[in-house]
Amino acid sequence: EAGVVQSPRYKIIEKKQPVAFWCNPISGHNTLYWYRQNLGQGPELLIRYENEEAVDDSQLPKDRFSAERLKGVDSTLKIQPAELGDSAVYLCASSLELAGGTDTQYFGPGTRLTVL
Amino acid sequence: LAKTTQPISMDSYEGQEVNITCSHNNIATNDYITWYQQFPSQGPRFIIQGYKTKVTNEVASLFIPADRKSSTLSLPRVSLSDTAVYYCLVAVRYSSASKIIFGSGTRLSIRP
Repeated sequence: EAGVVQSPRYKIIEKKQPVAFWCNPISGHNTLYWYRQNLGQGPELLIRYENEEAVDDSQLPKDRFSAERLKGVDSTLKIQPAELGDSAVYLCASSLELAGGTDTQYFGPGTRLTVL
Repeated sequence: LAKTTQPISMDSYEGQEVNITCSHNNIATNDYITWYQQFPSQGPRFIIQGYKTKVTNEVASLFIPADRKSSTLSLPRVSLSDTAVYYCLVAVRYSSASKIIFGSGTRLSIRP
């Protein structure tokens, strides 16, 4: 079974430029997460989707960050414009949440963003 | 909102048992405890999850006392490949309202 796929793996941009990250979750997983991980820290949840609905976006900096999950499958996270402090690894995860099951999150390899 | 506290780092040797304790004093009744492992340049990987008492799988055990204010991840007979960062996560399962917070994790170093 294919895992969570993210692209690109690395991205270098200059500040004030836009950037987008793409995530394809594990087939059949209804929940999708975007995290940001700064060096030496744990992942910080940015947004969580259940199918097409964003159920938790309280930590998403909405002035410059946006996300979408059309058709409840793959998702895109965008930053516009990027700032120096946005340099981090952006992780995508997915899970299958069913009653009686486990909500184990499966993570992708992440996209390392460097803003110059 | 359940927050977790873990040791910043731990060292051990191959073949030893390693126990990493996480404190979560304000854990809620419906919260579950989950542990993840992360290697450099990879996303976190699920290790084990539990609610109370003891849970064991093929790679680890999770001990949760009756008051559930802490939990201990136990790795039996560690090897060099267990060198990684370990995160304790406390969150309500299946809830749109749950807040998912990863702490800073415990950096485990295994020596030959």
